[in-house]
Amino acid sequence: DAGITQSPRHKVTETGTPVTLRCHQTENHRYMYWYRQDPGHGLRLIHYSYGVKDTDKGEVSDGYSVSRSKTEDFLLTLESATSSQTSVYFCAISESLSYEQYFGPGTRLTVT
Amino acid sequence: ELKVEQNPLFLSMQEGKNYTIYCNYSTTSDRLYWYRQDPGKSLESLFVLLSNGAVKQEGRLMASLDTKARLSTLHITAAVHDLSATYFCAVDRGGGADGLTFGKGTHLIIQP
Repeated sequence: DAGITQSPRHKVTETGTPVTLRCHQTENHRYMYWYRQDPGHGLRLIHYSYGVKDTDKGEVSDGYSVSRSKTEDFLLTLESATSSQTSVYFCAISESLSYEQYFGPGTRLTVT
Repeated sequence: ELKVEQNPLFLSMQEGKNYTIYCNYSTTSDRLYWYRQDPGKSLESLFVLLSNGAVKQEGRLMASLDTKARLSTLHITAAVHDLSATYFCAVDRGGGADGLTFGKGTHLIIQP
């Protein structure tokens, strides 16, 4: 299995609070991604990163920001959590040979 | 905007039968991926299809890609219960590193 961890694995938070999710990889892959998974929607891309300090928006980026200060870490921040951000969040990594993406175990976030 | 449509979204079948899941996408792409997800788990990469006419097989599963028709198929031969899962196709958004657009998934139940 690709060395990808996500923390926390589960979190319950209140509306309006900031939340940061962490993705950590030990594969030294260049590209990293954050997706959210909701019933009936499949997975949707939130933000992605081409490398350290190099990020871009995905399909559903409103309300989210990201940072990547080291190759191995990609942080996803919800500045002010809303109930619509209740979801399962997956991090993924890839390299440039086939761009095949390997997924982390996921973080289940509940915003009450 | 890239759209990816899978059908069927739900499939119940008997062990020993054959069936095909279809994945249509709306814009030109040479990279298509199939993933499997078990309930409460992360996504597992099944197949990476990188060119027109690509065919990959693993056990009872075979995937193919027709980039001209913008169609990929995942064929299941002589289904067994262990193949029960949700299957996603995903298409490269462009450039390889820009992330994936996923179909909504096919929830497959194989009954004895």
